[in-house]
Amino acid sequence: DTAVSQTPKYLVTQMGNDKSIKCEQNLGHDTMYWYKQDSKKFLKIMFSYNNKELIINETVPNRFSPKSPDKAHLNLHINSLELGDSAVYFCASSPITNTIYFGEGSWLTVV
Amino acid sequence: AQSVAQPEDQVNVAEGNPLTVKCTYSVSGNPYLFWYVQYPNRGLQFLLKYITGDNLVKGSYGFEAEFNKSQTSFHLKKPSALVSDSALYFCAVRGGGSARQLTFGSGTQLTVLP
Repeated sequence: DTAVSQTPKYLVTQMGNDKSIKCEQNLGHDTMYWYKQDSKKFLKIMFSYNNKELIINETVPNRFSPKSPDKAHLNLHINSLELGDSAVYFCASSPITNTIYFGEGSWLTVV
Repeated sequence: AQSVAQPEDQVNVAEGNPLTVKCTYSVSGNPYLFWYVQYPNRGLQFLLKYITGDNLVKGSYGFEAEFNKSQTSFHLKKPSALVSDSALYFCAVRGGGSARQLTFGSGTQLTVLP
C-alpha cells in the first residue's frame, strides 16, 4: 500500500547506457514530480506533470525525458548516461497546491 | 524567485534538551511552508506544514514550527530531543496561486547525542 513507489531503488550502470526509473502513485493526486538530490544532499526539481501535461521543466539536459502515460505514473528515461548523472532521484506527487509526498528514491550510480 | 535558507549545516543537541532547526524564506505572495525529514538511504518524510491560520503548527513525532511573517522564518522545534530524531531536515517553500514548485533549503543535519 505504498503511496509513491519507484523502481529500481538501486541502479549501477555504465556510461553511455540508457536507463529508466519508474514511478507510480496510488494517492489519486493530479501532480507528479521528479527531484534530483546531489552528493551534497541538495534537492532540485527537474520536472512536474499535472494530469499528464508537463508544467515545470527546469534546466535539465535533454538526455532526460519524463513520460507520463497516465496521471498515476511518471517515468524518467535517461539517455547516454554520464558520470555526473550519479545522484538520487526522487519521484513525488501532490494534490493541487498542497503537501508533496515523496517516494523512497532511486540511487543511480554511473561508472 | 522563491528561496529557502537553512543557515546551519549541522545542529548537535543532547538527548532530552530542546532543539531548534532554523529556516528563513523568500517568496512572492503568501508562503506555503513545509518541513521534511530524511533518514539515511530513505526518502523524504513530511513532518508539518503552514498554509494559513495559527502561527504555531504541530506535526509528526512531537515536532512543531513557528511561522513568523515579519522575520520570514519558519523554525522547527521540539521540546525534548530523542536520539532517534537524528536525521537530515529540510525546510521548503512554495508560493501561492498556481505555483506548484517546492523549493528546498540545503538541509540541516541534526545529531542528538545520548
